[in-house]
Amino acid sequence: EIVLTQSPATLSLSPGERATLSCRASESVSTYLAWYQQKPGQAPRLLIFDATNRATGIPARFSGSGSGTDFTLTISSLEPEDFALYYCQQRSIWPTFGQGTKVEVK
Amino acid sequence: QVQLQESGPGLVRASGTLSLTCTVSGGSVSSGSYYWNWLRQPPGKGLEWIGYVYFSGRTSYNPSLKSPGTISIDTSNNQFSLKLRSVTAADTAVYYCARGTIAARAVRFFDYWGQGILVTVSS
Repeated sequence: EIVLTQSPATLSLSPGERATLSCRASESVSTYLAWYQQKPGQAPRLLIFDATNRATGIPARFSGSGSGTDFTLTISSLEPEDFALYYCQQRSIWPTFGQGTKVEVK
Repeated sequence: QVQLQESGPGLVRASGTLSLTCTVSGGSVSSGSYYWNWLRQPPGKGLEWIGYVYFSGRTSYNPSLKSPGTISIDTSNNQFSLKLRSVTAADTAVYYCARGTIAARAVRFFDYWGQGILVTVSS
């Protein structure tokens, strides 16, 4: 099983600041990595797929990078609605998720 | 716009059977381009993939789950279902159905999700 480790567990930032979230895989997943945003009481929403591609309707302030084992989700300037939980997910034999990073208001 | 909606009982007795159905609208479960998935999220915890069903009836399950249950598809009603038998408190979770895109016979990512349904297993 490929294990995804996200860091940090919590990111405390202010609106307008840049957020950098990390996801590390226990072995290479090529570029088969996705990022999701989840707000309380809601289902996850797809943000980024194949490491760098924004899903339909996702604002340009969200960007993804990386390949192999190290990936980054960047939110260039935090909007109030961006404070949420973020998960990464890989596709190998079966999909697994990281444990999540919470982006909270400082 | 594709929409998925979970339905089923919110309370199941321990050792009983959890049965959930996902109804798809705005798209067809008969499409050969997608897998139809069940995932779950225990309260306050992360996401776990349970398994998928393809339009042909072919299934795949998470091998790390002791009892992943059974996923089936009903193309005539545009639905797919999950059955988990002999449930315990550890099966208490929000259950999501989701559409998965395909890459090399694996789920690439999940692009549409249902709103989720909380299922509590009571003793």
